[in-house]
Amino acid sequence: EDQVTQSPEALRLQEGESSSLNCSYTVSGLRGLFWYRQDPGKGPEFLFTLYSAGEEKEKERLKATLTKKESFLHITAPKPEDSATYLCAVQAGNDYKLSFGAGTTVTVRA
Amino acid sequence: DAGVIQSPRHEVTEMGQEVTLRCKPISGHDYLFWYRQTMMRGLELLIYFNNNVPIDDSGMPEDRFSAKMPNASFSTLKIQPSEPRDSAVYFCASSFSWDESLKLSYNEQFFGPGTRLTVL
Repeated sequence: EDQVTQSPEALRLQEGESSSLNCSYTVSGLRGLFWYRQDPGKGPEFLFTLYSAGEEKEKERLKATLTKKESFLHITAPKPEDSATYLCAVQAGNDYKLSFGAGTTVTVRA
Repeated sequence: DAGVIQSPRHEVTEMGQEVTLRCKPISGHDYLFWYRQTMMRGLELLIYFNNNVPIDDSGMPEDRFSAKMPNASFSTLKIQPSEPRDSAVYFCASSFSWDESLKLSYNEQFFGPGTRLTVL
């Protein structure tokens, strides 16, 4: 069974204080690793897909990286608008379903 | 495109009543997914369809839950009878698996705004 573990559960940052979120996974035949952002009362919003170890993707202050066992979401010089819950999910084999981690709730104070 | 559309956005009902949640996927998407999100269990897949055909319903909690996709632009998730433990936010998501013209595979799922269900 696919397992996805995210840490920490919550992260409080000062504006401009860079940090990283971790997503460790156990799957048979990784098809893709996905990062989503979720704001309160809204559906998850797609951020990145990573397909193979060593791959990196960036969007504004966010950078996602992937190894064979885990992924990191780096937030560089965060702003209060980066406050959200960040979800990691994996897709394995020939299956199109996503298995989600519990998420990391990031709060950025001005 | 308007994105994935779900209705109603909020539903409050009493135990034992039938509840029907609705979803309109993004036009052209061939996969449709129903998820449930709670504080205790997080985001969990209930069922998904490919080209209107159910592929995996192993996440459906019990026989009280049923889902249909009569055509490419509409799906329903029905709970009958509803129970307080069904209270959660239900999300619909859709994805586009293959672009023949670009010879590209896509796996990203795009989520709707969700339906917050409260069963009293």
